[in-house]
Amino acid sequence: NAGVTQTPKFQVLKTGQSMTLQCAQDMNHNSMYWYRQDPGMGLRLIYYSASEGTTDKGEVPNGYNVSRLNKREFSLRLESAAPSQTSVYFCATSPWGTYNEQFFGPGTRLTVL
Amino acid sequence: AQSVTQLGSHVSVSEGALVLLRCNYSSSVPPYLFWYVQYPNQGLQLLLKYTSAATLVKGINGFEAEFKKSETSFHLTKPSAHMSDAAEYFCAVSDGGGSNYKLTFGKGTLLTVNP
Repeated sequence: NAGVTQTPKFQVLKTGQSMTLQCAQDMNHNSMYWYRQDPGMGLRLIYYSASEGTTDKGEVPNGYNVSRLNKREFSLRLESAAPSQTSVYFCATSPWGTYNEQFFGPGTRLTVL
Repeated sequence: AQSVTQLGSHVSVSEGALVLLRCNYSSSVPPYLFWYVQYPNQGLQLLLKYTSAATLVKGINGFEAEFKKSETSFHLTKPSAHMSDAAEYFCAVSDGGGSNYKLTFGKGTLLTVNP
């Protein structure tokens, strides 16, 4: 039972390159979330998916796209990376009816040069 | 709209001393409140949660928090700090359960424990 897994753990990109961050869960949770964490800013919600087939913007969606591939997987895509997207990215999941308690993956540390 | 304010971005205590991390929230509906801990280079882990049952909530590793509606506070305490408590702590508020409710996080408090 792996919980929430994220790949890759680390990534370095050049400005303008694209990449996809992967998140998978084996907890059978319905809702999934993508956050970014920057020093002094706490966690900011990028996108979330309440259930398979739905996605919604969070607080800071510009420059990102998401895909809820199935119940288990939720990916985050940077189409043209910018240095401002250098951050640590966390995926989280939540089952319905639990006051929105969320379970976090280990994170992806992304550097854009 | 809900929000969370964590007073003090950095708290430093001596080993064995009281730990007090402050969290104030605003919410238009009865809130659900959480404290998460993040150890270096790891994800966030739930410490404890308030879901409208007992106002004094006990969590893992000896931490507890008290919900005070009149003060809109949910401060985290531990009687005696241990070196292993050094981490960043996040307070979060939710306005309900269900499928599409979100957590709003504070900016975090970094706890340093001195020997």
